[in-house]
Amino acid sequence: KAGVTQTPRYLIKTRGQQVTLSCSPISGHRSVSWYQQTPGQGLQFLFEYFSETQRNKGNFPGRFSGRQFSNSRSEMNVSTLELGDSALYLCASSLSALSPSKGKNEQFFGPGTRLTVL
Amino acid sequence: LAKTTQPISMDSYEGQEVNITCSHNNIATNDYITWYQQFPSQGPRFIIQGYKTKVTNEVASLFIPADRKSSTLSLPRVSLSDTAVYYCLVGGPLASGGSYIPTFGRGTSLIVHP
Repeated sequence: KAGVTQTPRYLIKTRGQQVTLSCSPISGHRSVSWYQQTPGQGLQFLFEYFSETQRNKGNFPGRFSGRQFSNSRSEMNVSTLELGDSALYLCASSLSALSPSKGKNEQFFGPGTRLTVL
Repeated sequence: LAKTTQPISMDSYEGQEVNITCSHNNIATNDYITWYQQFPSQGPRFIIQGYKTKVTNEVASLFIPADRKSSTLSLPRVSLSDTAVYYCLVGGPLASGGSYIPTFGRGTSLIVHP
């Protein structure tokens, strides 16, 4: 079974631009979550989509948005890029919607997209 | 919002047992505790998950005391390939809005020496 794939793997943008990142989950997985990873802040949850609906959202500004398609593929968009948006953006998929009270709620992570904002 | 604390780094030698402890004082009643492993330039990989007492799988054990305010990941007989960053994950709903935010600790960088 193919793992989580993310495209592109590397991206360089300039301040003020916008960017769209793509994630294809494992076949059969309906939940897709996005994380930002930086040396300073670590791994931070952006949002989760399940059955094309945003279920959970972290504490990020509205410049960060996402969507999920009927085939569970997801895209994340960042508008008006800032230098501080430089990070590794990770996508994770799971069979069911994330819930702190569900056991075996294993997330499968992709390799990430390395975004550099100049 | 559940907050976790882990040691920043640990060193060990091949063949030794390594124990990494994560503190999560305000864990919610229904929260599970999950540990992930991350190698450079890769996404995190699930290791083990538990709710209370002890859980064991083919690669690790997870010990959770009765008060559940901490958890310890135990890696038996580590090898050089276990050199990685280990994350403890606990999540819970916000006080308002009800969003579930998976909250990773800052991670523990484990270096295994020959």
